[in-house]
Amino acid sequence: QVQLRESGPRLVKPSETLSLTCSVSGFSISSGFYWAWVRQPPGKGLEWIGTIYHSGSTYYNPSLKSRLTTSIDKSKNQFSLRLSSVTAADTAVYYCACLGGELPAVTFDYWGQGTLVTVSS
Amino acid sequence: QSVLTQPPSVSGAPGQRVTISCTGSSSNIGAGFVVHWYQQLPGTAPKLLIYGNINRPSGVPDRFSGSKSGPSASLAITGLQADDEADYYCQSYDTSLSGSVFGGGTKVTVL
Repeated sequence: QVQLRESGPRLVKPSETLSLTCSVSGFSISSGFYWAWVRQPPGKGLEWIGTIYHSGSTYYNPSLKSRLTTSIDKSKNQFSLRLSSVTAADTAVYYCACLGGELPAVTFDYWGQGTLVTVSS
Repeated sequence: QSVLTQPPSVSGAPGQRVTISCTGSSSNIGAGFVVHWYQQLPGTAPKLLIYGNINRPSGVPDRFSGSKSGPSASLAITGLQADDEADYYCQSYDTSLSGSVFGGGTKVTVL
């Protein structure tokens, strides 16, 4: 059973960079699968942020692409998200997820518990 | 405004049947891409409910069923129960995004 857990600062100042890490247990990232980030503003719906393959290939939501960087650290069995120049609109619960299947028919099979990141001065 | 359109809310009495629609376009569902459905209970992460339009993961009751026709998909819940109260999201692939897209979500209320 794959387990994921998000970690990182819960409060980020406007114009700064939001950084989150997803720690994976129960499966080696090096072995495969796609890994993704999804966010959910308070009281609103889900938004796909981006997907990274175990090889390092990335796929980003065009609306966030200019500010977004994702990476994989196989030695720590973790993957990370960096979103620059944040505003209040980036306040959301951020989830990391393990995807099943193959592109484009991937499913979000396993989810972290989510972490609320607030952008405020 | 989501690429996939869902009704904001649906409701039904215990035991009744409710359906949730998910309407897309020629760049996603209408292009033939499969639809998946997720259930999000209050305060928790989403959980995969239906995959590949009609399939249920192990452990999901057969009260939940999915269908797809043209640019739309539907989730049906029969024998509605109190613990079905949750938000439900459809998800597919969109060629304009070159990535995954979610519907806006539908809140199911059991009366």
